[in-house]
Amino acid sequence: GDSVTQMEGPVTLSEEAFLTINCTYTATGYPSLFWYVQYPGEGLQLLLKATKADDKGSNKGFEATYRKETTSFHLEKGSVQVSDSAVYFCALLPMNYGGSQGNLIFGKGTKLSVKP
Amino acid sequence: NAGVTQTPKFQVLKTGQSMTLQCAQDMNHNSMYWYRQDPGMGLRLIYYSASEGTTDKGEVPNGYNVSRLNKREFSLRLESAAPSQTSVYFCASSEARTSKGNEQFFGPGTRLTVL
Repeated sequence: GDSVTQMEGPVTLSEEAFLTINCTYTATGYPSLFWYVQYPGEGLQLLLKATKADDKGSNKGFEATYRKETTSFHLEKGSVQVSDSAVYFCALLPMNYGGSQGNLIFGKGTKLSVKP
Repeated sequence: NAGVTQTPKFQVLKTGQSMTLQCAQDMNHNSMYWYRQDPGMGLRLIYYSASEGTTDKGEVPNGYNVSRLNKREFSLRLESAAPSQTSVYFCASSEARTSKGNEQFFGPGTRLTVL
């Protein structure tokens, strides 16, 4: 079945460092891909998404490119801030007849801590 | 516009007790979901409701029941709580279950401990 694999954390960085969180997926066809973020004590919120191959999602300085050839959707940010400390979840929406639809499949999450 | 609200925020139960977690959304969304979050396990879907009047099992439905009371409300019931149900429970909603409409909005969560 479809699945998402994220790099295990925790990831600890200094402020202004470059961030990469790896995400790879297994799915048939062309699923839609998402990154969600969970700040301490809160629910998840959508950070960015891409619905077809080679699309780049971006938001708040974060970017991720949908790579069909490597089945990846890595999250990157050029300069992290303390306020970026959170848990990041990669997710996919499976491809079904008529397009991507169904329920999101989440990775296990990667905890990021940014130190001043 | 409150988004997705959940009650209670915290709950402690004894094994065998029952309780209902309440969830409501004010975004006129069609689809609603219940997840549990456990350390190292990510989010796992318990039940979902694709539209008002329908409910379906997710990945881990055993020990739970749900009711889609109306378009706004989706409740989760534990009939006989077990320690394995200690978790953080999140309710979410989305406009639809397609890629264009599938931004899910999450509530703040309920921390449940079963002793």
